[in-house]
Amino acid sequence: EAGVTQFPSHSVIEKGQTVTLRCDPISGHDNLYWYRRVMGKEIKFLLHFVKESKQDESGMPNNRFLAERTGGTYSTLKVQPAELEDSGVYFCASSQAGLLDTQYFGPGTRLTVL
Amino acid sequence: AQSVSQHNHHVILSEAASLELGCNYSYGGTVNLFWYVQYPGQHLQLLLKYFSGDPLVKGIKGFEAEFIKSKFSFNLRKPSVQWSDTAEYFCAVVAYSSASKIIFGSGTRLSIRP
Repeated sequence: EAGVTQFPSHSVIEKGQTVTLRCDPISGHDNLYWYRRVMGKEIKFLLHFVKESKQDESGMPNNRFLAERTGGTYSTLKVQPAELEDSGVYFCASSQAGLLDTQYFGPGTRLTVL
Repeated sequence: AQSVSQHNHHVILSEAASLELGCNYSYGGTVNLFWYVQYPGQHLQLLLKYFSGDPLVKGIKGFEAEFIKSKFSFNLRKPSVQWSDTAEYFCAVVAYSSASKIIFGSGTRLSIRP
């Protein structure tokens, strides 16, 4: 069974540019989550999809971040325009239908904003 | 607000030494507790979890953790570490009231001297 995949693995962009991160969850997993780890700090929740609907987006830092999950399969997280403080590792996770089911994490996308 | 504290930022041990990584959380309600591990170059993966029942939980690779409700603690232990245990370890909590949002600690980097 394929795990959670994320693309790209690394992205280096300049301040003010736009970047789109992609996450493909495990097939059949209704729940999809985005998390972020800023250098040296804890991994923080960004948002949670159930199928194509946003269940909880309380962790989104500001309106420069836009997450979508059209069709309830893969998800994208767009940062526009990127700022220096957006640098970090963005993790995606997925779980089956139950809210308390184990979340399986992807390898992360390391974003560097110069 | 819910939070998770990991007592040690970086722990260095020799092979065969015993390990205990501290974790405390702040939340008064029912929680599920986790330890995740990230080996160098690999995904975050679940080491063990506590949902209910026996507060002593056994996980993969000889790890165990004990949930002490009165102390709001969920310390991770291993009687004899190996060089391959070198990794970063994250304690995490999901509060029933916040559905499936994982709150992570800041992580403990474990280095094992061969």
